Amino acid sequence: QTVVTQEPSFSVSPGGTVTLTCGLSSGSVSTTYYPSWYQQTPGQAPRTLIYSTNTRSSGVPDRFSGSILGNKAALTITGAQTDDESDYYCVLYMGSGISVFGGGTKLTVL
Amino acid sequence: QVTLKESGPALVKPTQTLTLTCTFSGFSLSTSGMRVSWIRQPPGKALEWLARIDWDDDKFYSTALSTRLTVSKDTSKNQVVLTMTSMDPVDAATYYCARIRPDCRGGSCYATDFDYWGQGILVTVSS
Repeated sequence: QTVVTQEPSFSVSPGGTVTLTCGLSSGSVSTTYYPSWYQQTPGQAPRTLIYSTNTRSSGVPDRFSGSILGNKAALTITGAQTDDESDYYCVLYMGSGISVFGGGTKLTVL
Repeated sequence: QVTLKESGPALVKPTQTLTLTCTFSGFSLSTSGMRVSWIRQPPGKALEWLARIDWDDDKFYSTALSTRLTVSKDTSKNQVVLTMTSMDPVDAATYYCARIRPDCRGGSCYATDFDYWGQGILVTVSS
């Protein structure tokens, strides 16, 4: 079974830039996987940041951006704020109606 | 305004069948392009996609759990039901239902994201 990979944790300084990635245990991520990114804070349901690789969801600040970098999907936060300290999940659409979540990245801003 | 809310038992015994209901408003699952998924999250762990049901009654399941899952809909009640058989303590999790952002063009519907989520329901599995 294909595994969607994410960095378990990442740290960034306030005001800094960080790129989180979303890969496959076998193969490359492309736009045909329609990568989406979610932010989740403790006790809350996730909220969409980015869908279809690089479309920002309504109300999401433009410091969040999505792309394909090499063979992975990427979420870049430019000018990180303390409020961005959260868990981040990517989802890839595998086709045949099946979606798979990555293991999530715990982002620390300090 | 789109809302979703999960309901069902907070506690089930091992080997029992879990039945969860997602009651939603603000859209209809009889409308072309509408889709609803179930997702779960064990305490302190990652999200896991479970199943999806579409407006045309197509159904899709996680490969790992397909033999245990059934999803159905009642469009007249605006509800989606998930059943999971043979519950085990490892199935303890918060279970969410979520709408998939509709994006249908030229007769095809495209994968997008889960744009609206329920609040989730915590299910414990214990004897």
